[in-house]
Amino acid sequence: NAGVTQTPKFRILKIGQSMTLQCTQDMNHNYMYWYRQDPGMGLKLIYYSVGAGITDKGEVPNGYNVSRSTTEDFPLRLELAAPSQTSVYFCASRYDRVGQPQHFGDGTRLSIL
Amino acid sequence: ELKVEQNPLFLSMQEGKNYTIYCNYSTTSDRLYWYRQDPGKSLESLFVLLSNGAVKQEGRLMASLDTKARLSTLHITAAVHDLSATYFCPDLNYGGSQGNLIFGKGTKLSVKP
Repeated sequence: NAGVTQTPKFRILKIGQSMTLQCTQDMNHNYMYWYRQDPGMGLKLIYYSVGAGITDKGEVPNGYNVSRSTTEDFPLRLELAAPSQTSVYFCASRYDRVGQPQHFGDGTRLSIL
Repeated sequence: ELKVEQNPLFLSMQEGKNYTIYCNYSTTSDRLYWYRQDPGKSLESLFVLLSNGAVKQEGRLMASLDTKARLSTLHITAAVHDLSATYFCPDLNYGGSQGNLIFGKGTKLSVKP
């Protein structure tokens, strides 16, 4: 059982470039999330989705976009990368039943130079 | 402002000793989660506490929840090196965010022989 899979694991971007971070889950979870984790800090929510076709902003959405065309996939798009977006990005999903924990992917380590 | 505060932020313990990590949260949620993160790794769910007075134990770790005091504790018994990691106690934000997690900075635990 693969769980939550994120690609790529590492990436270096130049300022102004764009890229898409991929996230897919095979647990048929409706809820999916994107977080970023800066060094020595907790995670902050960027975007979330409660099902295919439904997305909404989290705490720190500026500079990012998402889409959810299928239950399995929840890609995160960075437009015009900036140094402040250097971070580790985690995708998570959970079953929509009370008390279920979120399951996290292994993360994408992104550096903007 | 919704927030989670953990105390201490850094903890250096000797093997065999006991200690407690404290987690104060600001919402009126009746549930709380504990996660473990090894350096450079993803987050692993440890406990889901679903009601006031809930207590869960796994090996040398025991977590409890007091919703009236908005306090959760993670008690470590006879620490071993393998417990070295960062521990997070994200709170569940109902609000408009569909149950997203609010993270504090975490407690970085180092167990020394």
